[in-house]
Amino acid sequence: KQEVTQIPAALSVPEGENLVLNCSFTDSAIYNLQWFRQDPGKGLTSLLLIQSSQREQTSGRLNASLDKSSGRSTLYIAASQPGDSATYLCAAATDSWGKLQFGAGTQVVVTP
Amino acid sequence: SQTIHQWPATLVQPVGSPLSLECTVEGTSNPNLYWYRQAAGRGLQLLFYSVGIGQISSEVPQNLSASRPQDRQFILSSKKLLLSDSGFYLCAWRTRGRGEKLFFGSGTQLSVL
Repeated sequence: KQEVTQIPAALSVPEGENLVLNCSFTDSAIYNLQWFRQDPGKGLTSLLLIQSSQREQTSGRLNASLDKSSGRSTLYIAASQPGDSATYLCAAATDSWGKLQFGAGTQVVVTP
Repeated sequence: SQTIHQWPATLVQPVGSPLSLECTVEGTSNPNLYWYRQAAGRGLQLLFYSVGIGQISSEVPQNLSASRPQDRQFILSSKKLLLSDSGFYLCAWRTRGRGEKLFFGSGTQLSVL
């Protein structure tokens, strides 16, 4: 069974610093990996999706990498802002049906 | 553009009462639909998914059931709620085909007392 782990569980950085969020998964046979953002009491917002054949995806200040052989994905957020404060979740699709196995998330606080 | 609606936003129910949460998607057809639950201090867990009308797959044994009476409508139900059913319930959809993003609704916070 696929297991997804996110470390650290919480992270606090001053505004302007780059954020590095880690995600690891146990089964390298994933279909894709998706990064989400969740604000308190809200639903999830999709940030980036990396297909199994891709190494990375970029959107604005966000960049996500995927290394299937080592079972890792990393989300980079450049020049962090207080508005980036949220919980970030990674999720691995275990099959083509779109079923996702989620990590527990990393709670990020960006201080002004 | 596609939108997903989920209601109610919050719900407080006594133990043993029934439950019905509804989710509808607009702007797309034949979506895959999903129900996830986020329990306090735990990650999201897939409860049910559906690839078409009347087609429901359950991922975990539990006190809940799901139905899809129309193409863009997904309902989560229970006949008798348990305390352990408390949590944040999220509906999600995606288009058919491999490798598509999931889009989530705003969620329902359910408290069973």
